[in-house]
Amino acid sequence: EDKVVQSPLSLVVHEGDTVTLNCSYEVTNFRSLLWYKQEKKAPTFLFMLTSSGIEKKSGRLSSILDKKELSSILNITATQTGDSAIYLCAVPKAAGNKLTFGGGTRVLVKP
Amino acid sequence: DGGITQSPKYLFRKEGQNVTLSCEQNLNHDAMYWYRQDPGQGLRLIYYSQIVNDFQKGDIAEGYSVSREKKESFPLTVTSAQKNPTAFYLCASSLAGLDTQYFGPGTRLTVL
Repeated sequence: EDKVVQSPLSLVVHEGDTVTLNCSYEVTNFRSLLWYKQEKKAPTFLFMLTSSGIEKKSGRLSSILDKKELSSILNITATQTGDSAIYLCAVPKAAGNKLTFGGGTRVLVKP
Repeated sequence: DGGITQSPKYLFRKEGQNVTLSCEQNLNHDAMYWYRQDPGQGLRLIYYSQIVNDFQKGDIAEGYSVSREKKESFPLTVTSAQKNPTAFYLCASSLAGLDTQYFGPGTRLTVL
């Protein structure tokens, strides 16, 4: 059965800190990994990663995939209070486009 | 303004009642999905549909039903058979063959 595990479960940082979130997966016929940010309601899409070692970047957020380790990390540098959210990682199942989600990491950035 | 809308935002249900959650998209996406999110947990797939008039069960379909009569619409009915329906329900859609899903704002269902 496909499995996606995120760590840590939650963390609290202060503005300006850097955070690193982890996502590990066990899926059949891996083809991509997605990161989402969920503030209060709808998860919003951040990144889709397909190739190992190639960093994707958007402002202060970046993410990289390691297919050898079956994992991905999401980094947030110079954190701001607006980065407070649940960060979700998901991997598509082998057949179709159904996603298996991890449990999420809750990030709280204090002023 | 393209996007996915869900209604209502909040819904209260008495035990034994069926309720229907609405999901509409104007993104011209082929596939639509329903997820359930419980506090402190990730999303679990209830049902999904890749084309009109066709849908499949997800991981937790028991106590739920759906229909897909139009491409734009994918309503979810939470039946009285669902033992623990209090949760946050999210609808999503995607283009056929693509992994990236886009989400609506969600409906919070509370059973009184």
